[in-house]
Amino acid sequence: DAGITQSPRYKITETGRQVTLMCHQTWSHSYMFWYRQDLGHGLRLIYYSAAADITDKGEVPDGYVVSRSKTENFPLTLESATRSQTSVYFCASSGAGGASTDTQYFGPGTRLTVL
Amino acid sequence: GQQLNQSPQSMFIQEGEDVSMNCTSSSIFNTWLWYKQDPGEGPVLLIALYKAGELTSNGRLTAQFGITRKDSFLNISASIPSDVGIYFCAGYNYNNNDMRFGAGTRLTVKP
Repeated sequence: DAGITQSPRYKITETGRQVTLMCHQTWSHSYMFWYRQDLGHGLRLIYYSAAADITDKGEVPDGYVVSRSKTENFPLTLESATRSQTSVYFCASSGAGGASTDTQYFGPGTRLTVL
Repeated sequence: GQQLNQSPQSMFIQEGEDVSMNCTSSSIFNTWLWYKQDPGEGPVLLIALYKAGELTSNGRLTAQFGITRKDSFLNISASIPSDVGIYFCAGYNYNNNDMRFGAGTRLTVKP
C-alpha cells in the first residue's frame, strides 16, 4: 500500500546496543524527517533530509545517525542506546518533488524502550 | 530550541460542546498547521494555514492564522466522541526551514 511505514512498531533493547529504526515512503517525497515524542515536549525534530544523500541536524540530534541512500528510505540509528532515548519515534515526509516542507505526513510511529 | 506554547494542555468536555485551543510563539511563522493524533498512531494533518489572517474550515473544524503570524487557534464545534485525541499545532518558517510543534492539547469528550 502507498504511504509511509515504519518498522519495527515496537522495540525493546538494552543500554549500549545499536538500534536502527526504518522508515519507508512510497510518494517520492523529497523531504523526510525523524521526530521523537515525549510527554511534555510534543514532537522534537532529530534529523531531516531534503533529498537522497542530503541530511541535516534538527533540534535534538545527539546520539543519533541517519542516512539516505535512496529517496524512499530514511533509517535512524542509535549507535549506543541510552535510557534517555526511550521514546516514541515518528518518521514523516513531505514535498512531492518540490521544496515544500510545510505539509508533513507521518508514519505510525515506533515505540522504543531502552532498558 | 523554540517550542510553541499550546493551551490548554487538556480539556474534558461534554459531547455537543464547542472546543477552542490555541498556540502562540515569540517567533513568526509562514505556515501554521493543526494535527490530530489518535492513540498508537502518528499525527494526521487537519488544517493548513498559509496567510496571516486566514480563516479555514474543515467540516466542524475551523482554524485561523493570527494576524501577527505568531499565533493560531483551532475551534471544534459540536464535539463528538471520535474527536477524542491529542491535537498539535505546528509552525513552519520557510526562511530557515524550521518547523516546531506545540506540546499538544489532550481532548476528552464525555458522551
